[in-house]
Amino acid sequence: AQKITQTQPGMFVQEKEAVTLDCTYDTSDQSYGLFWYKQPSSGEMIFLIYQGSYDEQNATEGRYSLNFQKARKSANLVISASQLGDSAMYFCAMREGGNDYKLSFGAGTTVTVRA
Amino acid sequence: DAGVTQSPTHLIKTRGQQVTLRCSPKSGHDTVSWYQQALGQGPQFIFQYYEEEERQRGNFPDRFSGHQFPNYSSELNVNALLLGDSALYLCASSRPGLPPTDTQYFGPGTRLTVL
Repeated sequence: AQKITQTQPGMFVQEKEAVTLDCTYDTSDQSYGLFWYKQPSSGEMIFLIYQGSYDEQNATEGRYSLNFQKARKSANLVISASQLGDSAMYFCAMREGGNDYKLSFGAGTTVTVRA
Repeated sequence: DAGVTQSPTHLIKTRGQQVTLRCSPKSGHDTVSWYQQALGQGPQFIFQYYEEEERQRGNFPDRFSGHQFPNYSSELNVNALLLGDSALYLCASSRPGLPPTDTQYFGPGTRLTVL
């Protein structure tokens, strides 16, 4: 079964507007971490933001915020005030608890920012 | 502060050949993970090295092997290459600690083409 589901293959957003990227996850662990990464066309995976399962507040990092809804098992990324440089592939990933060190990634969402 | 580095950037091999990819972690990081990313998909976990030992392995055949050196750098070896091994190979490094201290940071990747 897929652990991370990203249902939006591609999205267009106007410069300076906000965009929300959807991510749902599946785990039976109580302790887990959720990550968002950005992958420009160059290929490097850039870490954006982290949310722990026990964190009570939604994570924020500059223009990035994470809308964490634990009961619904969703961890949506919000990018505010979009810039042309935000055009990239975005991946949601999860690391489960215990001795599981791997990241499980979704299929990604391509974001294109229009001027 | 140098980030994660990988070499080579690109590689072209023929079926049946063997390949070695290299990775140097970020300063202060002692753990290296390898991922395979096929075109249009999210990365898939191959294995993780810690203290020069393979700590966790994903669902990849024995043709995929690795090594970690005392300076924490790592190699990924793939034997008997198949056309399906064509992909972007990403290395990620991390340091010990509780999340999010142990966040994985990625290198630029090595693009392997098997003809």
